[in-house]
Amino acid sequence: AQSVSQHNHHVILSEAASLELGCNYSYGGTVNLFWYVQYPGQHLQLLLKYFSGDPLVKGIKGFEAEFIKSKFSFNLRKPSVQWSDTAEYFCAVTPGGGADGLTFGKGTHLIIQP
Amino acid sequence: NAGVTQTPKFQVLKTGQSMTLQCAQDMNHNSMYWYRQDPGMGLRLIYYSASEGTTDKGEVPNGYNVSRLNKREFSLRLESAAPSQTSVYFCASSLGLTSLGFFGPGTRLTVL
Repeated sequence: AQSVSQHNHHVILSEAASLELGCNYSYGGTVNLFWYVQYPGQHLQLLLKYFSGDPLVKGIKGFEAEFIKSKFSFNLRKPSVQWSDTAEYFCAVTPGGGADGLTFGKGTHLIIQP
Repeated sequence: NAGVTQTPKFQVLKTGQSMTLQCAQDMNHNSMYWYRQDPGMGLRLIYYSASEGTTDKGEVPNGYNVSRLNKREFSLRLESAAPSQTSVYFCASSLGLTSLGFFGPGTRLTVL
């Protein structure tokens, strides 16, 4: 079975700082990778996803992620964060066609200070 | 389109009571899922239905049952609620990989 590790459980940054959230997965085969965001009191929204092709994927709200196969990593980045980026961020994986559901990391709580 | 809808939004139960969480999607998706979210644990898959007429256990199925009533609806039942089932429950649906992003608004369940 696959698993996902998010190493930073809590991150506090100032506005305009650069962001990188780590995500590593373990799975022996081909995986599909996702980042979700959950704003306070809301449900999950998809930020970006990687299936194949260019390992640098761009998502909504200025976020991007890079898939590094040799490191089993899919880190999320944003060059300059805003206060409105305060949220919980989840990395997730699914093998194959995805019908079997997603395996999530435990999440990173990001707080942006004005 | 309403997307994925869940009822109720909030529920308080006493230990031993039963209840059913309802989920419906109007996007003609084949697959539907139930997850629970607990602080510091992320989301964990309870049950899923890859297609109408099929259901399978996820990571944490104990204490739950599901019914895929039709293509649109997927319900989650707690037969005898326990305090350990206090959680936020999310339903999701998908039509293959390209649409794995649709979650419902969640049901916050407290079991006393």
